[in-house]
Amino acid sequence: GENVGLHLPTLSVQEGDNSIINCAYSNSASDYFIWYKQESGKGPQFIIDIRSNMDKRQGQRVTVLLNKTVKHLSLQIAATQPGDSAVYFCAENHQGAQKLVFGQGTRLTINP
Amino acid sequence: EAQVTQNPRYLITVTGKKLTVTCSQNMNHEYMSWYRQDPGLGLRQIYYSMNVEVTDKGDVPEGYKVSRKEKRNFPLILESPSPNQTSLYFCASSSVPGPRTPLHFGNGTRLTVT
Repeated sequence: GENVGLHLPTLSVQEGDNSIINCAYSNSASDYFIWYKQESGKGPQFIIDIRSNMDKRQGQRVTVLLNKTVKHLSLQIAATQPGDSAVYFCAENHQGAQKLVFGQGTRLTINP
Repeated sequence: EAQVTQNPRYLITVTGKKLTVTCSQNMNHEYMSWYRQDPGLGLRQIYYSMNVEVTDKGDVPEGYKVSRKEKRNFPLILESPSPNQTSLYFCASSSVPGPRTPLHFGNGTRLTVT
């Protein structure tokens, strides 16, 4: 069945280091993936998305990697800043489905 | 400013007292959706709307109603709230009908049903 989850519920990194947030999915038909950032007291905010015809996509300070063989994607944040502290969600969709399936989220904490 | 606005932000009510959470977007988006967020369960879709007068059930529609009479508004109605509907609710919209485009979320409505 559909299941999108995360390897770690919390991640703590030093300011300036790179962060890697992982996400596993189980539906082999999934072909669209998206990452959201949710700061305290706010709604999720779009970060980056990727379709299954790609294995890497870069944004501003963020990179998403998709490994379809092992059904895994990751979000890399370069030079992590205090403003990156938030909960990060991955979500997936497959063609024809009218919904996103969200993972439970990873809380990223930045140490000064 | 492009945004999704939900009201109220916080609501405490009693079992059985009908309530409506409003959602409005100013981006002329066709697709709108409601989610609830619960610890350990993540975001789950309640209802969605592909366009005006077109609504459909999501994963957890029981106990909820929606309407889409105008493009910009998508209210969530709880006819007889129960304590298991205590949750954080998010409204979202996107320019393209369907979930394969980034969603714009509101800032949430925290509902407590006693």
